[in-house]
Amino acid sequence: DAGVIQSPRHEVTEMGQEVTLRCKPISGHDYLFWYRQTMMRGLELLIYFNNNVPIDDSGMPEDRFSAKMPNASFSTLKIQPSEPRDSAVYFCASSFYNTEAFFGQGTRLTVV
Amino acid sequence: DQQVKQNSPSLSVQEGRISILNCDYTNSMFDYFLWYKKYPAEGPTFLISISSIKDKNEDGRFTVFLNKSAKHLSLHIVPSQPGDSAVYFCAASGRTGNQFYFGTGTSLTVIP
Repeated sequence: DAGVIQSPRHEVTEMGQEVTLRCKPISGHDYLFWYRQTMMRGLELLIYFNNNVPIDDSGMPEDRFSAKMPNASFSTLKIQPSEPRDSAVYFCASSFYNTEAFFGQGTRLTVV
Repeated sequence: DQQVKQNSPSLSVQEGRISILNCDYTNSMFDYFLWYKKYPAEGPTFLISISSIKDKNEDGRFTVFLNKSAKHLSLHIVPSQPGDSAVYFCAASGRTGNQFYFGTGTSLTVIP
């Protein structure tokens, strides 16, 4: 398996624009996580899915953030409208229940 | 609020010596603990884990110790090698759901 695949690797956008981050989990994994890495908070869990169903989205910072998982092999994290403080590295990870999570290489988002 | 804390942002160690990275947690429901290693521009990769039924787990040069009464775990790397230079994240998970809570990371530099 190629591992967790995220796209794009880098995204630069202007404030107010919509941004969509994409993730393909490892085949067969039933959990999918979206994390944001910042200096202050480290790896911050935004939302996670189990069998394509959102289980906990309490980490989503604002209503501007939304995430979907239409099927077992694809998830998106959308920010609309984006703001400069959203600039960070966003990671997607997947796992089986009660085992370690495997991370993608991340998307570095810069909002100017 | 951070449920997993890594109070040392950085650590420098001489090659061949022991590296000790520390982690504290606040939630007594956590029962599964992990360490991840992260190189720049890459996603975190799983290193070693420990269940709450154990107090030690060893894998080659890496050993994780868990002190449940103190809500503290540590990662020992012996001997340290320059290739170990990376950011190390501590993570914890509880029985309800499968979400992993991460610390803010400790940047380890192993000096040749």
